[in-house]
Amino acid sequence: QKEVEQDPGPLSVPEGAIVSLNCTYSNSAFQYFMWYRQYSRKGPELLMYTYSSGNKEDGRFTAQVDKSSKYISLFIRDSQPSDSATYLCAMLDYNTDKLIFGTGTRLQVFP
Amino acid sequence: KAGVTQTPRYLIKTRGQQVTLSCSPISGHRSVSWYQQTPGQGLQFLFEYFSETQRNKGNFPGRFSGRQFSNSRSEMNVSTLELGDSALYLCASSSSAPAGNYGYTFGSGTRLTVV
Repeated sequence: QKEVEQDPGPLSVPEGAIVSLNCTYSNSAFQYFMWYRQYSRKGPELLMYTYSSGNKEDGRFTAQVDKSSKYISLFIRDSQPSDSATYLCAMLDYNTDKLIFGTGTRLQVFP
Repeated sequence: KAGVTQTPRYLIKTRGQQVTLSCSPISGHRSVSWYQQTPGQGLQFLFEYFSETQRNKGNFPGRFSGRQFSNSRSEMNVSTLELGDSALYLCASSSSAPAGNYGYTFGSGTRLTVV
């Protein structure tokens, strides 16, 4: 079993929809949680970074962390075709200082 | 400000050959990490260098090696290439290790194809 599980999708939604992307993890040593967005033929770019349980909002994006359930989410409001990309969750292992990635969820937003 | 630069962008090599990939981090960043990305496995951590010292290593065979120079530029080398080494190799830099609040900034990667 992988340390980080992420549904690979693809997830296809109409423009304007609310998108929910999720990851679960098994390692209690994961303390920092990130979401990256990766466009085709590009490297991942950091979208959101959070440490504590709860919600963090940045524009149309909200990151949610539930450490008790070992579950993190990224919500995208009013989704746009330009949001079409692969979204990767990543977690920093406090014990090893290694950043562990989920396999990514491919999102397509159609007009 | 310039981002993370990886060269070359594309490479085709034959089984058994060796290859060297280069990464220039963001100016002022002293930490450089390398990842292998494949469709089945996603991003897998190779190693991290900070101030010319390897501070962390993933679970890859010894054919994968790296180094960092005094200007923070980094290279990774893969010897005796195998077909399974075909992947996108990504380099990421950060100002600290571990990355802290600003996370890692990735380059666009080098696409290696082994035939």
